[in-house]
Amino acid sequence: NAGVTQTPKFQVLKTGQSMTLQCAQDMNHNSMYWYRQDPGMGLRLIYYSASEGTTDKGEVPNGYNVSRLNKREFSLRLESAAPSQTSVYFCASSVNGLYGYTFGSGTRLTVV
Amino acid sequence: GNSVTQMEGPVTLSEEAFLTINCTYTATGYPSLFWYVQYPGEGLQLLLKATKADDKGSNKGFEATYRKETTSFHLEKGSVQVSDSAVYFCALSKETSGSRLTFGEGTQLTVNP
Repeated sequence: NAGVTQTPKFQVLKTGQSMTLQCAQDMNHNSMYWYRQDPGMGLRLIYYSASEGTTDKGEVPNGYNVSRLNKREFSLRLESAAPSQTSVYFCASSVNGLYGYTFGSGTRLTVV
Repeated sequence: GNSVTQMEGPVTLSEEAFLTINCTYTATGYPSLFWYVQYPGEGLQLLLKATKADDKGSNKGFEATYRKETTSFHLEKGSVQVSDSAVYFCALSKETSGSRLTFGEGTQLTVNP
């Protein structure tokens, strides 16, 4: 099925561990985004990539890094996980954000 | 900067009741406006959108009208169903901000039979 695929769906990390969240889209979209969702705070943008080869910080980039590997793939890395990074992470893509995004199903991350 | 404010939730209604979820925004110029819906355990899905003033977006019985004079984009449905229970997010996008979406906090809707 066409869309945005995120892996893994669930992950538990210990404080200080690292991991990479993977995201891939097969809709030939130019732009890709990483958001985190926390109760009562809506969705907050971590990083985005307007086009292949470019990445920019969003509202809450601290503690994260990203890589736009190619047009299809956009990964999010936590170098040293902290309990404050416990959240649900969503990847999204768009042809042009003025017309809306397509979201993945999310990764639920718990840092203990 | 850009911002979106939604009515506080949660909202609980009986089946077939009328739904309104208020959304107001702050942005210069003419942003595009969206409503997204998130069902339990899933990602967000685009519900409807409007890209210019006075446009009405509609889908699955939901409607919202882009009101420039009141900077609002309220979501309405005439008769809700149990299957409409979800979290609803209002959002805006502007070309000058790289077309990034800015979301409201979300409103939890529960519809009881």
